[in-house]
Amino acid sequence: QKEVEQDPGPLSVPEGAIVSLNCTYSNSAFQYFMWYRQYSRKGPELLMYTYSSGNKEDGRFTAQVDKSSKYISLFIRDSQPSDSATYLCAMTGNTPLVFGKGTRLSVIA
Amino acid sequence: ETGVTQSPTHLIKTRGQQVTLRCSSQSGHNTVSWYQQALGQGPQFIFQYYREEENGRGNFPPRFSGLQFPNYSSELNVNALELDDSALYLCASSAFRGANTDTQYFGPGTRLTVL
Repeated sequence: QKEVEQDPGPLSVPEGAIVSLNCTYSNSAFQYFMWYRQYSRKGPELLMYTYSSGNKEDGRFTAQVDKSSKYISLFIRDSQPSDSATYLCAMTGNTPLVFGKGTRLSVIA
Repeated sequence: ETGVTQSPTHLIKTRGQQVTLRCSSQSGHNTVSWYQQALGQGPQFIFQYYREEENGRGNFPPRFSGLQFPNYSSELNVNALELDDSALYLCASSAFRGANTDTQYFGPGTRLTVL
């Protein structure tokens, strides 16, 4: 079993839809959770960084962490074509970052 | 404030050759981490440099080596290139304060193709 599992998609949604992206993990030592956005042929860009279980909101983005279930989510409200990218979850427990495979999202105008 | 920069952007090599990739860290950052991202995969940690010393290494063979310079820029060297080394190589810098939990800022990457 991989340490971090992420559905690679691809996921295609209409503009304005709510998008839900998810990762599960197996290592209980992971305590810090991140979501990165990566446009084609670019480096990853940090979107959200969370520690506690619960929700963290930043504009149209909400990150959710459930440590008891070892499950994290990223919600995107009112999705825009400019949100089309690959979304990577990443996590650490004072160890090197471990990434999921990424979910490729397309938002269709 | 200048972000993380990497050079070259693209590189084509043949099997058995050696390659050097370069990274300039973001202003004020003293830690550089290198990652390999194969097509359709997430980045995989290669190693990290902090104050010119290796500070952790992932599951990569010794033919992957690195350096960090006094200005905190860094190099990744790969010897005896193999076809499977074809990937996007990412550099990330952070203001390392003793924890891997510091936010890492990524450069645009170098795309290496091995023929």
